[in-house]
Amino acid sequence: NAGVTQTPKFQVLKTGQSMTLQCAQDMNHNSMYWYRQDPGMGLRLIYYSASEGTTDKGEVPNGYNVSRLNKREFSLRLESAAPSQTSVYFCASRVQGYEQYFGPGTRLTVT
Amino acid sequence: AQSVTQPDIHITVSEGASLELRCNYSYGATPYLFWYVQSPGQGLQLLLKYFSGDTLVQGIKGFEAEFKRSQSSFNLRKPSVHWSDAAEYFCAVAPGGRRALTFGSGTRLQVQP
Repeated sequence: NAGVTQTPKFQVLKTGQSMTLQCAQDMNHNSMYWYRQDPGMGLRLIYYSASEGTTDKGEVPNGYNVSRLNKREFSLRLESAAPSQTSVYFCASRVQGYEQYFGPGTRLTVT
Repeated sequence: AQSVTQPDIHITVSEGASLELRCNYSYGATPYLFWYVQSPGQGLQLLLKYFSGDTLVQGIKGFEAEFKRSQSSFNLRKPSVHWSDAAEYFCAVAPGGRRALTFGSGTRLQVQP
C-alpha cells in the first residue's frame, strides 16, 4: 500500500495562475481532508469530504475549491493563486472514528 | 469550538535526557486526542492516540502520553531522548472522533549531543 500520495511535491506559481493539487489514497477510507501548514500556526483545515460525493468547508476555505472524484481521489484547486496561498498543503484520509493518515505534502510558492 | 494550546514553541534537550511536551485543549467533553511528529520536509506520522480507557497511552518510538481530564491536558513524554527525535511535534484533538482534527501550533524539539 502506498497510503496517501500527493502530486506535485513542489510548485511555483505566479499570482493569478491556477493549479490543481492531486491526492489519492489506497486504504479504502471514506473521509479525506485538505490542510495547509504555515509557520507557527500548525495545520488548518481547508476542506474535507466525509464520503464520496460530499464536501464541506473547513476553517480557511476562501480561494480554494475541491472535488471528490471518487472514493480514492480528492483534489484541491486554486483558481487564481495569491501570495497568501504560499504554504505547504497536506492531504489526509481517515477511517470512521479513527486517526488520520497524512500524505507527504505539496510545497507551493506563489510569487 | 475546540482549541489546542502547545505553550512551548521550541524546546532543547540533551541526548539521553527526559522529555515532556505540553498540550492543553479546550472542549466541552472528552475529545479524541493525538500526537503527531513531523520530521523536516516530511508529512505527519502518528505517535499515539487516546480515545477512552486507560489514561496513560503508549505509542511508537518509546513515547507515551497521559490524559488528565481535570487539567484538560495530554502531555507527551519520553524517558530518554535520542538525536533522531529532533522534529516538530503536534498535538491534535477531534471532538468525538468526528470531522477533522484541530491542531496545536507545534513544538520544535532540538536535541543536543
